[in-house]
Amino acid sequence: GDSVTQMEGPVTLSEEAFLTINCTYTATGYPSLFWYVQYPGEGLQLLLKATKADDKGSNKGFEATYRKETTSFHLEKGSVQVSDSAVYFCSFLANAGGTSYGKLTFGQGTILTVHP
Amino acid sequence: EAGVTQSPTHLIKTRGQQVTLRCSPISGHTSVYWYQQALGLGLQFLLWYDEGEERNRGNFPPRFSGRQFPNYSSELNVNALELEDSALYLCASSFQGLAQETQYFGPGTRLLVL
Repeated sequence: GDSVTQMEGPVTLSEEAFLTINCTYTATGYPSLFWYVQYPGEGLQLLLKATKADDKGSNKGFEATYRKETTSFHLEKGSVQVSDSAVYFCSFLANAGGTSYGKLTFGQGTILTVHP
Repeated sequence: EAGVTQSPTHLIKTRGQQVTLRCSPISGHTSVYWYQQALGLGLQFLLWYDEGEERNRGNFPPRFSGRQFPNYSSELNVNALELEDSALYLCASSFQGLAQETQYFGPGTRLLVL
């Protein structure tokens, strides 16, 4: 069935370090891919998205590329900040022939802590 | 522009009671989604409403139900509460429910069942 496998955390980095959080998915059809971020005590915020193969989503220095051949959508940032400390969720929105199921399927989340 | 709003922010109920959670979508959005974020279980899709109709439902028992009003706001009802219903309930909205649209999330309602 549909699923997302996300790099297990927690991930602890020093400020200005390079970040990679791996994400692979299993989905029918041609899904849209998303990274959401959740700060403590808050709901989910969209970080970036990609809707077709080889698209690169980017926002706030974060990037991820839609790799259909490897069914992956790895999140990267060249230099993390303390303010990036949060939980990161990889997800996809499946569809059938372009008609959405409405359901986002999420990975289990990766806790990122960045120290000064 | 106001984001997705949810009420109440916190709730404490006892087992067997019923609860109603409310959600107002972003202005102009017709689709509303509900998700449960329970500790250790991650984010699970509950329901999708669009134009007043239920479009899809996740793998939850019938005691989880909801509706969408003509102004596109939505309610989630949970009957016969169980301890494992304790979770953060997140509402999201999107413009028309199309395949490539982003779902924008509210801050959630934290439900504790004692």
